[in-house]
Amino acid sequence: GAVVSQHPSWVICKSGTSVKIECRSLDFQATTMFWYRQFPKQSLMLMATSNEGSKATYEQGVEKDKFLINHASLTLSTLTVTSAHPEDSSFYICSARDGRTEAFFGQGTRLTVV
Amino acid sequence: AQKITQTQPGMFVQEKEAVTLDCTYDTSDPSYGLFWYKQPSSGEMIFLIYQGSYDQQNATEGRYSLNFQKARKSANLVISASQLGDSAMYFCAMRGLHNAGNMLTFGGGTRLMVKP
Repeated sequence: GAVVSQHPSWVICKSGTSVKIECRSLDFQATTMFWYRQFPKQSLMLMATSNEGSKATYEQGVEKDKFLINHASLTLSTLTVTSAHPEDSSFYICSARDGRTEAFFGQGTRLTVV
Repeated sequence: AQKITQTQPGMFVQEKEAVTLDCTYDTSDPSYGLFWYKQPSSGEMIFLIYQGSYDQQNATEGRYSLNFQKARKSANLVISASQLGDSAMYFCAMRGLHNAGNMLTFGGGTRLMVKP
């Protein structure tokens, strides 16, 4: 149990376009989902926390208008990178929690903006 | 505020030997959880082991054990009988337990390389 599916696993897009990344909890209801960003050879940096049915809480320095997060149901959260630029190229990874202690992670999405 | 420090950017270990990955932390939360995750080159984060701050015994999960020293604020991961498949990045993380929505704070990671 406790499987989190993230899609797509990799995406290449043109500068100026938007990209949507999906994060689904397959066998549990995720009351809270987290989105992280990871640069090469660095640690995970939290971007935002979202609870089902409410607005996401963004970390300082993360542009909420650029990184749109929607947590419409207990099993799905989406991250949309709007008007992507090359500096947005990174590894994005989601995690989901229910009442259990640990958080479970998706497989991650490698975004390349050209 | 929470802070996790992993002082070893890279570690080598001989196959079949044990290795300890260091982790120290700082927090103002009276109760917290400590986690270790493994990140292979494919990128997914694999949960390895958890230690609660009020747990009396050190956590163990198969070849993984957590050397928890609360007074020293350290939560080192011990991997016994290393295997080639253990080569990966390892992240120590913590979360305050008061708020169910609290996020994980990660350390900088340690890259473990297992030599045949």
